[in-house]
Amino acid sequence: QSALTQPASVSGSPGQSITISCTGTSSDVGSYNLVSWYQQHPGKAPKLMIYEGSKRPSGVSNRFSGSKSGNTASLTISGLQAEDEADYYCCSYAGSSTLYVFGTGTKVTVL
Amino acid sequence: QVQLQESGPGLVKPSGTLSLTCAVSGGSISSSNWWSWVRQPPGKGLEWIGEIYHSGSTNYNPSLKSRVTISVDKSKNQFSLKLSSVTAADTAVYYCARDRGEGDGFDIWGQGTMVTVSS
Repeated sequence: QSALTQPASVSGSPGQSITISCTGTSSDVGSYNLVSWYQQHPGKAPKLMIYEGSKRPSGVSNRFSGSKSGNTASLTISGLQAEDEADYYCCSYAGSSTLYVFGTGTKVTVL
Repeated sequence: QVQLQESGPGLVKPSGTLSLTCAVSGGSISSSNWWSWVRQPPGKGLEWIGEIYHSGSTNYNPSLKSRVTISVDKSKNQFSLKLSSVTAADTAVYYCARDRGEGDGFDIWGQGTMVTVSS
């Protein structure tokens, strides 16, 4: 099972919106509505930002939203803030034999 | 609220066995959750290793399955990871995490522990 494909980096100015893509296959992203997204600041543990493709855990800003089309999931950050600068990883359920596959990760830079 | 804390040796010799424990506090390991291990080599991405339910049922990443054993100790409210025949490629930060269940991702993470494989 190969890692899901994410752009290596995405940047934006404060207040702008950015979108991070996460491309998988019909065996993972395309087959299940079970994509989660994680934010990871340097030296810190990942933090769940989105689950089931578009749901936000309690306490996560509504500036973060998720969606999916076919084999590609997306995370959009609106009203970009300096604190959003971090690495972001997608993760998809991939069936009963593999269970979870993570994305390659995207570094978000706030200009 | 539930908190997770990893512990174990920070240095393991090549061909040896990596052993880590994750202590669960603020909640019971016998709740309706699976408990996972995830690792991250320096400067690289995340990799799911495997998971366990309090009943002892396990699921492993096929790429690591031959070398991985995850176990649970309900009396100590903790679960453990053993990875055998380690090489330098197993050098990573190892995280334990709570699985929301049914493929729904990980909502609580430990702080992570760095394990280096070197002689």
